[in-house]
Amino acid sequence: NAGVTQTPKFQVLKTGQSMTLQCAQDMNHEYMSWYRQDPGMGLRLIHYSVGAGITDQGEVPNGYNVSRSTTEDFPLRLLSAAPSQTSVYFCASREPGKGFYEQYFGPGTRLTVT
Amino acid sequence: DAKTTQPPSMDCAEGRAANLPCNHSTISGNEYVYWYRQIHSQGPQYIIHGLKNNETNEMASLIITEDRKSSTLILPHATLRDTAVYYCIVRVEGSNDYKLSFGAGTTVTVRA
Repeated sequence: NAGVTQTPKFQVLKTGQSMTLQCAQDMNHEYMSWYRQDPGMGLRLIHYSVGAGITDQGEVPNGYNVSRSTTEDFPLRLLSAAPSQTSVYFCASREPGKGFYEQYFGPGTRLTVT
Repeated sequence: DAKTTQPPSMDCAEGRAANLPCNHSTISGNEYVYWYRQIHSQGPQYIIHGLKNNETNEMASLIITEDRKSSTLILPHATLRDTAVYYCIVRVEGSNDYKLSFGAGTTVTVRA
C-alpha cells in the first residue's frame, strides 16, 4: 500500500489564482480530512468527509472547497488564493470505528501564495 | 473535548530520557490521552495513547496521574531523530472525532 499520497509537494501561487491539492489513499478508508498547519497554530481542520459524496466543514473552511466522488480521492480546491493561505497542508484518512491513533497522514503540500 | 496545556519548548541531551508534561485538568472519564509527534516537514506520527493505566510501547512510555488531570510522555533514550513537535491530545476513543484539531504542542530539541 502506498498509504496517503499528496501532490504536489511544493507549490507557489500568485494572489487570485486557483488550484487543486490532490490527496489519495489506497486503504479503502471512509474518513478523510484536510488540515493546514501554520507556525505556532498546530494542525487545524479545514474540511472532512465521512464517505463518498459526503463532506462537511471543519474549523477553518473559508476559501476552500472539497468534493468526494470516490472513496480513494479527496481533492482540496483553493478558489482564489490569498497570502493568508500560505501554509503546509496535510491530508489524512482513517476507518470509522477504529481508534483515533489509526489516522494516517500524507507527507504534506507546502503552499506559498505571493 | 478537554483542552490540553503543554510547554512550548524543551531541550534534551542525546541518550538521556526526555519527559514531556501535559495538563488536561478538564478531561472526562471516557477520554483517552493521545500523543503524536511531527518531525520537520513530515506528517504527524502516532506515538502512544492511554486511559488511566501507564502504557509502554517500543517508542515511549505514558504516565497518567491517578486523578488523570495530567500525564507525562517519556522518551527513554532520546536520539537526534526524536527532535520534533510533540502533541498531547485528549479524545474519546472510537468516536466520530473527525473534527479533531491539534494544538501548538511542545517543540523538543535533542542535542548531541
